[in-house]
Amino acid sequence: GAVVSQHPSWVICKSGTSVKIECRSLDFQATTMFWYRQFPKQSLMLMATSNEGSKATYEQGVEKDKFLINHASLTLSTLTVTSAHPEDSSFYICSVKTGGNEKLFFGSGTQLSVL
Amino acid sequence: DAKTTQPPSMDCAEGRAANLPCNHSTISGNEYVYWYRQIHSQGPQYIIHGLKNNETNEMASLIITEDRKSSTLILPHATLRDTAVYYCIVAGKLIFGQGTELSVKP
Repeated sequence: GAVVSQHPSWVICKSGTSVKIECRSLDFQATTMFWYRQFPKQSLMLMATSNEGSKATYEQGVEKDKFLINHASLTLSTLTVTSAHPEDSSFYICSVKTGGNEKLFFGSGTQLSVL
Repeated sequence: DAKTTQPPSMDCAEGRAANLPCNHSTISGNEYVYWYRQIHSQGPQYIIHGLKNNETNEMASLIITEDRKSSTLILPHATLRDTAVYYCIVAGKLIFGQGTELSVKP
């Protein structure tokens, strides 16, 4: 299966600052990556689909200007949380889909805490 | 998109089989059933998937009913490290439900 590396594992930032999270597919060229958000004791919520070389597709209710996604290469997608606020504190996870089926491989996640 | 329903929690004794059910009554004919698990504060891990036939791999077995409206994930000999939240999803929209929190107890 695909190996997905996510960095950083955790980040603490001040309110109003921006935070960038990287997702790398180490052994697979991923034309599509997915970004999820997970609040404590809740399930994963799909935020957006990242498409290499084109604009990301955002799920309903997710602000595209706040969660900037860049997928400039087949192995790297980044999620930038702009002007972060305490309510953005969450566990962010990326994933890639391999092959002709829907099997997903996930990064280890990034715990964001906004003070 | 097909939704899934799972019990919120289950307990299992270490060494015994853990049987985790999932209801997906609105599944379409060409949609696969996928199972993942998430250990606390980690990204989910793929376990197994299937379409119609029962499947087995080194991690688990998947039993899918003939009408495909439900399935059961079987961990044949649960260990403490199998304690996690288990998600059953139907391929397509990649929507995760609430999952089942499995606690394996010594």
